[in-house]
Amino acid sequence: QKEVEQDPGPLSVPEGAIVSLNCTYSNSAFQYFMWYRQYSRKGPELLMYTYSSGNKEDGRFTAQVDKSSKYISLFIRDSQPSDSATYLCAIKGGSEKLVFGKGTKLTVNP
Amino acid sequence: DSGVTQTPKHLITATGQRVTLRCSPRSGDLSVYWYQQSLDQGLQFLIQYYNGEERAKGNILERFSAQQFPDLHSELNLSSLELGDSALYFCASSVRSSGMETQYFGPGTRLLVL
Repeated sequence: QKEVEQDPGPLSVPEGAIVSLNCTYSNSAFQYFMWYRQYSRKGPELLMYTYSSGNKEDGRFTAQVDKSSKYISLFIRDSQPSDSATYLCAIKGGSEKLVFGKGTKLTVNP
Repeated sequence: DSGVTQTPKHLITATGQRVTLRCSPRSGDLSVYWYQQSLDQGLQFLIQYYNGEERAKGNILERFSAQQFPDLHSELNLSSLELGDSALYFCASSVRSSGMETQYFGPGTRLLVL
């Protein structure tokens, strides 16, 4: 079983839609949960992070962690064409090592 | 712009050859990480250096090696290259704040092995 599973998509939505991106993980020792956004031909950039179960909001973005189900989500409200990118979940345990999902490619159509 | 720089941006070489990828971390960051990103494997952690010392190893092949120099820049050496080594190679540097470490990624080096 892979440490982190993420549906690669692709996901295509109309502008203004609510987007839901998800990952599952297998190791209950993971403590930190991150979402990175990667535009085409660029390096990943940190979007949000959290280290507890529950929700964390930042503008149009909400990160949700359910440790009991080992399930993390990223919601994007009022999606914009500029949100078109690949979104990677990343999870960290006690070491410095980040384990990434394979990424979900999102296209928001005007 | 993350502040992490990588050179070269693109590299085309032949099987069996050796290449060196270079990374300069953000000013003040002591940690450097190397990642490989391919379509089938996703983003895979290769190796981490902290202030010149190897800190952690991931899925790095024996044909690959890295080092971090006193000025904190790092180099990733790939030798006896195979077709399957074609990928994007990213470097990241990190800062710790409020107990949380954040990694900042460079723009990557796109390697094509023919």
